[in-house]
Amino acid sequence: GAVVSQHPSWVICKSGTSVKIECRSLDFQATTMFWYRQFPKQSLMLMATSNEGSKATYEQGVEKDKFLINHASLTLSTLTVTSAHPEDSSFYICSATAGLGYGYTFGSGTRLTVV
Amino acid sequence: KNEVEQSPQNLTAQEGEFITINCSYSVGISALHWLQQHPGGGIVSLFMLSSGKKKHGRLIATINIQEKHSSLHITASHPRDSAVYICAVRLSTSGSRLTFGEGTQLTVNP
Repeated sequence: GAVVSQHPSWVICKSGTSVKIECRSLDFQATTMFWYRQFPKQSLMLMATSNEGSKATYEQGVEKDKFLINHASLTLSTLTVTSAHPEDSSFYICSATAGLGYGYTFGSGTRLTVV
Repeated sequence: KNEVEQSPQNLTAQEGEFITINCSYSVGISALHWLQQHPGGGIVSLFMLSSGKKKHGRLIATINIQEKHSSLHITASHPRDSAVYICAVRLSTSGSRLTFGEGTQLTVNP
């Protein structure tokens, strides 16, 4: 079945540093990738949608200069949290789809802790 | 009011029980998904439905488009089924993004 590999699975960083999270589709071409943030006991919150080769579309309230998304190829998308602060600590998860009519495959998630 | 409503929010069952989780939505959709999120956070897609019924092992998912309602059933439940089950829909008007229900926390006790 379709697999999305997400790395790292957890990361601890200092305030002010940047962290990059990668999502790779291993056996299909991900025309669209989604980045979500999830707080404890809450549902997934969509941060942005990215299509290969295009600029990401950010949801209202999500700072595009803080959460940089790159989708340079059909198999790789990255989320960079720039100048991280403790309030950015959260669970981040990506999902990918090959397009309409196809399902969605989720990464395993990244737990970010900013100290 | 959320566009996707799930019930119950929490469900505790004994091993072997038949379990039903319900999902109602209020808008036109092109597909409905049932997802399973384990305690570690990883999410697995269980079903994608646009009509009728699908079965995979002990899991059955049904959808009634006219009534805008879907159910996820688990037969002969097992402690390893303990997870959060999430209903998500792809709205007819929102391209490929998903709209999520709040999730149902299922705990199956041995």
